[in-house]
Amino acid sequence: GAGVSQSPSNKVTEKGKDVELRCDPISGHTALYWYRQSLGQGLEFLIYFQGNSAPDKSGLPSDRFSAERTGGSVSTLTIQRTQQEDSAVYLCASSPDRRRTGELFFGEGSRLTVL
Amino acid sequence: RKEVEQDPGPFNVPEGATVAFNCTYSNSASQSFFWYRQDCRKEPKLLMSVYSSGNEDGRFTAQLNRASQYISLLIRDSKLSDSATYLCVVNQAGTALIFGKGTTLSVSS
Repeated sequence: GAGVSQSPSNKVTEKGKDVELRCDPISGHTALYWYRQSLGQGLEFLIYFQGNSAPDKSGLPSDRFSAERTGGSVSTLTIQRTQQEDSAVYLCASSPDRRRTGELFFGEGSRLTVL
Repeated sequence: RKEVEQDPGPFNVPEGATVAFNCTYSNSASQSFFWYRQDCRKEPKLLMSVYSSGNEDGRFTAQLNRASQYISLLIRDSKLSDSATYLCVVNQAGTALIFGKGTTLSVSS
């Protein structure tokens, strides 16, 4: 498909385990974002990649969270030693270019449940 | 103070009603403004950008007041299909978009 693809769509893990969430942005989109959304809450910014610039990591809640974007395309969000409060839907979005940075195209999200 | 604040609602209105949502932002350096729509258990989607002069898209009108750091969305002639959560979004140039928590609208027949 032509949209943003995220995997897995659902992940249930035990407290203390590591998880990796994957995002395939729309081809050619230079900007990539990770947000998370807890039940009934708004979108919480996590990290932002723009082209080859250093990522904006200011939203990562702790050093257990990290993300990388390889080759300017696919991104992986890693959560180490998961905690119950990490349970949320993790949303990835991509954007065509700087001039249209308000137009984000979101994936359907990865729902993480930490038991 | 949160960067983007919205009245969470819910706003419950009958079909055909006019409803307005408000949003305030704290960072005076914010440059771009948007309204997104999020249906239940779905991903957010861009509804419309908000321009300084105000802009209209069919039944939807968005306005920006930079002096008061205030954004509004007006929906006229509400439809059942307008039921959703409306997210106010702001950003400074070159940074990530910051989302408000959203205002929930429920339109009933």
